Order: sequence, then C-alpha cells, then structure tokens
Amino acid sequence: DVKVTQSSRYLVKRTGEKVFLECVQDMDHENMFWYRQDPGLGLRLIYFSYDVKMKEKGDIPEGYSVSREKKERFSLILESASTNQTSMYLCASSPGRQETQYFGPGTRLLVL
Amino acid sequence: QKEVEQDPGPLSVPEGAIVSLNCTYSNSAFQYFMWYRQYSRKGPELLMYTYSSGNKEDGRFTAQVDKSSKYISLFIRDSQPSDSATYLCAISKSGGSNYKLTFGKGTLLTVNP
Repeated sequence: DVKVTQSSRYLVKRTGEKVFLECVQDMDHENMFWYRQDPGLGLRLIYFSYDVKMKEKGDIPEGYSVSREKKERFSLILESASTNQTSMYLCASSPGRQETQYFGPGTRLLVL
Repeated sequence: QKEVEQDPGPLSVPEGAIVSLNCTYSNSAFQYFMWYRQYSRKGPELLMYTYSSGNKEDGRFTAQVDKSSKYISLFIRDSQPSDSATYLCAISKSGGSNYKLTFGKGTLLTVNP
C-alpha cells in the first residue's frame, strides 16, 4: 500500500511566522505535489517536483516555497505566514509516467 | 470556460439508491480520468482510474467516460451510509512529462440510513 504521511494534522501559527510542512512517501515515487484545499475553491496546486532538487510552480505559488533534498521527502515552506494562508494542505505523490496521485491525510493550518 | 466543471451538490439520497455523479471538461487533450473519494477532514483516496471511453466497473462503482461529449460519470449502486463523502473528478492531459491533475471542485454526497 502506498503511504504518504504529513508531519502534522493540525497546526496553529501566528502571522509572520515561518512555517514548515513536511511530507514523506514510502513508495519511491518520482513525483510529489503540494495542494491547498479551500471551501468553494477545490484543490489548487501550489508546487510540484518530478525529481530530487527539481521543482515547478503550480497555479498558486505566491507566498510559498518548497524543498526536495531527498526523493521521499517534499517540504512546503510558508516564509511569512499570513491569515489568508489558513487552509487544508494536502501532499500527494505519484510514480513516474503515471497520472494517479496518492494523497496524505492533510494538515489543517490556522494562521492567527 | 473552466477546464473541469463539477456540480458541487450537496446531494442527499436514501440508502440503497443509485447515485450519479458527473463532470464535464472542455479540452479534448484530456485523456486520463480519475475519481477520488474524500471523507470529512481526510485526504482524497483514489477510487477509479480509466483512460478510455466506455465503462469500468469495480464492485458497486462504475466509471463512465464519453470523450465525444467530454463527459465523465461515476455511478454508485446500492449506496450505503459509508459512501457519504465528497467525490472529486480529476483529469490529466497525457503521461509525457506533465503529470499534473486538474480537479473538479467536488460533489458532497450524503446517504441517509
């Protein structure tokens, strides 16, 4: 079974804090993704990575950065958290040359 | 026109009903079609995956793709309260080097006992 884990289920941070969200997958997948999910807006892609140290911007990269130093780990960084970044953050991974993505349980982030 | 349109519902049905969930898409370049189920406060889980027109069946679930109409459906037979969740359609253009998915916004389904 594919397993994608995220470091926290719930997180509360203050405006201006630097926030790290970690994602780990145990299936040797090449591709990893970060989404945010908001009511009425659905899933929106923030960043994705198709290889170690490679990254590409998704649809809403502003205010975020990512890091992929190891194949199994993909980190999302909020450089200076703002209240409009309060959301559900979902990590996903997929094998190379395959479209199906496997999601982690999500991190609910509240920025006060 | 949005790339993928999905009726957000909510949809409420009695236990045992047949449920039909639908998405339309605008670009004929989309070739791969998926349905995900997402329980409240959980991550989406893959239900069905298909890349051709026609039907694909898995237990009580049937995925249907009509590429000529750019229309995809998920049917749930003998629906159960445990099927209550948000259902997301997802589509992809091609394998290539672009593995991004485009998601519908999801349909919230409630199956009442």
